[in-house]
Amino acid sequence: GAGVSQSPRYKVAKRGQDVALRCDPISGHVSLFWYQQALGQGPEFLTYFQNEAQLDKSGLPSDRFFAERPEGSVSTLKIQRTQQEDSAVYLCASSLDRGRETQYFGPGTRLLVL
Amino acid sequence: GQNIDQPTEMTATEGAIVQINCTYQTSGFNGLFWYQQHAGEAPTFLSYNVLDGLEEKGRFSSFLSRSKGYSYLLLKELQMKDSASYLCAVKGGYQKVTFGIGTKLQVIP
Repeated sequence: GAGVSQSPRYKVAKRGQDVALRCDPISGHVSLFWYQQALGQGPEFLTYFQNEAQLDKSGLPSDRFFAERPEGSVSTLKIQRTQQEDSAVYLCASSLDRGRETQYFGPGTRLLVL
Repeated sequence: GQNIDQPTEMTATEGAIVQINCTYQTSGFNGLFWYQQHAGEAPTFLSYNVLDGLEEKGRFSSFLSRSKGYSYLLLKELQMKDSASYLCAVKGGYQKVTFGIGTKLQVIP
């Protein structure tokens, strides 16, 4: 079946602009994760959903970041009033359920804030 | 909190064996992952260890010692396509996975 997809793949935003990043997980995957990856760094956890419930949002860097997954499938990460330091690759990953399961990553959205 | 250490860069020769080490200090432990990430691409799963010992999968093996907070990824018969970053990641409490900075491996002829 299809893997995790993300859109857009690239986004250029002017500082202060709002952006919305979309993630389509693998069908049937219960868990969904968002990560932020700066150049030369490992992915940094942002938030985690189990179905539609956001169970952990401890990694969101500020209240300008908001994520939702209203029907337990597609998720959107929204960044309000973007700043230059928000420039990074935003990765979405999904996994089948709890336990030892592997996270499968999407290709990421590369965000550049000018 | 979580702290994961791994070397930032390594170089190895095609056909050789390379070992990438990872040490971790975490407030909870529910398994350790290794991911491969080629430049500009998403991480892809390589291995998962939750019990002590060695897990072998083709040319790649991963080892875990929970008492020492230590893991390594062993790559045998290196190929040029193995040039990539290798990410060590620990699943702590609940579902949160913490990644290391990644080890950039360069395979040379």
